[in-house]
Amino acid sequence: AQKVTQAQTEISVVEKEDVTLDCVYETRDTTYYLFWYKQPPSGELVFLIRRNSFDEQNEISGRYSWNFQKSTSSFNFTITASQVVDSAVYFCALSEREILTGGGNKLTFGTGTQLKVEL
Amino acid sequence: DAGVIQSPRHEVTEMGQEVTLRCKPISGHNSLFWYRQTMMRGLELLIYFNNNVPIDDSGMPEDRFSAKMPNASFSTLKIQPSEPRDSAVYFCASRYLSPQGTFSEQYFGPGTRLTVT
Repeated sequence: AQKVTQAQTEISVVEKEDVTLDCVYETRDTTYYLFWYKQPPSGELVFLIRRNSFDEQNEISGRYSWNFQKSTSSFNFTITASQVVDSAVYFCALSEREILTGGGNKLTFGTGTQLKVEL
Repeated sequence: DAGVIQSPRHEVTEMGQEVTLRCKPISGHNSLFWYRQTMMRGLELLIYFNNNVPIDDSGMPEDRFSAKMPNASFSTLKIQPSEPRDSAVYFCASRYLSPQGTFSEQYFGPGTRLTVT
């Protein structure tokens, strides 16, 4: 069974600080997919990134960066120079390869990390 | 392009009443997912469809819940009869799955906040 653990329930930082959100996953599959979604106070879920298990390259997108380490089953998310607009709940999710269709289907979400960025 | 559309955005109903939630996926997407979000259980998958066919409904909590996808551009999630514990935010998501098995990420609708009193 697949599982995603986000041990940090809530993080508070002051604007311009860097912050890292942790994500640890469990899966028996060798092919799987990892995701991060953002849920701002308005409630919608916004896709941020997707990674497949064969691609361990770290990724940077503006102030956002992701560190994928299979050796520790972690997919951590760092926000550099945080801003108030980054305040949201961030979810890490895992999807295993679905044998019949080949694609990942079921997203298993972590419990989310509430990030509060204050002035 | 329009994203995933859900209606209603808010629904308040009394226990025992039937509730129908609606979803229009992104045009061209052929997979549709229904999720439920509660404080106690977080985000959980209820059911998903590929090409309008239900693939896995193991997340549907009880027989009171049913979902249909009569065509590629519309799906419903029905609760009959509703109970207070069904109060949650229900999200619909869609994505494209190719015949070769590659797929896009899931795009979520704004959600329907259901309150059953």
